[in-house]
Amino acid sequence: KAGVTQTPRYLIKTRGQQVTLSCSPISGHRSVSWYQQTPGQGLQFLFEYFSETQRNKGNFPGRFSGRQFSNSRSEMNVSTLELGDSALYLCASSEKGGYTFGSGTRLTVV
Amino acid sequence: DAKTTQPPSMDCAEGRAANLPCNHSTISGNEYVYWYRQIHSQGPQYIIHGLKNNETNEMASLIITEDRKSSTLILPHATLRDTAVYYCIANFGNEKLTFGTGTRLTIIP
Repeated sequence: KAGVTQTPRYLIKTRGQQVTLSCSPISGHRSVSWYQQTPGQGLQFLFEYFSETQRNKGNFPGRFSGRQFSNSRSEMNVSTLELGDSALYLCASSEKGGYTFGSGTRLTVV
Repeated sequence: DAKTTQPPSMDCAEGRAANLPCNHSTISGNEYVYWYRQIHSQGPQYIIHGLKNNETNEMASLIITEDRKSSTLILPHATLRDTAVYYCIANFGNEKLTFGTGTRLTIIP
């Protein structure tokens, strides 16, 4: 079966802009989690959605937000981009505790 | 989630068994031990998990000590493609994973 699909793979944005990243989970998986990975902070949990509701949230500012649609696809949005938001953004889908990650979206803020 | 401690780096000769240790002395009775690995710039890949008993799958074996304060991931016949950062995570099986710094495993030809 198809894995977790994240689009786009690469993105370059300018400071102050906003960005939307997309994640399509494995078919049948209702939970989608988002992580940020940077060289300095490693892998950090952003938030998790289950059946269109945010179920868990990490310690990130309100500029980071997300949503989940009825088909379990999820988007995350970052507004007013800062240079420090440059990172690999990873999405993971799960059903009953098994986590499968996508290949990520590499965001560069210039 | 309980904190885990892993060595920052390890080397292993190709074809030999790679044994990656993890300490989780504060693990709760119903926390699982999960292992993931991340090959450069890819998303983490699930390897194996266990609660009390030793576990084996097609990728690796997981040995958990009787007191559950530490565990060892064993890659029985390491290949160059096993070069990656390996993460040991103690987790209740909920949806939030707390990644540490992991062990950078380098397989030497």
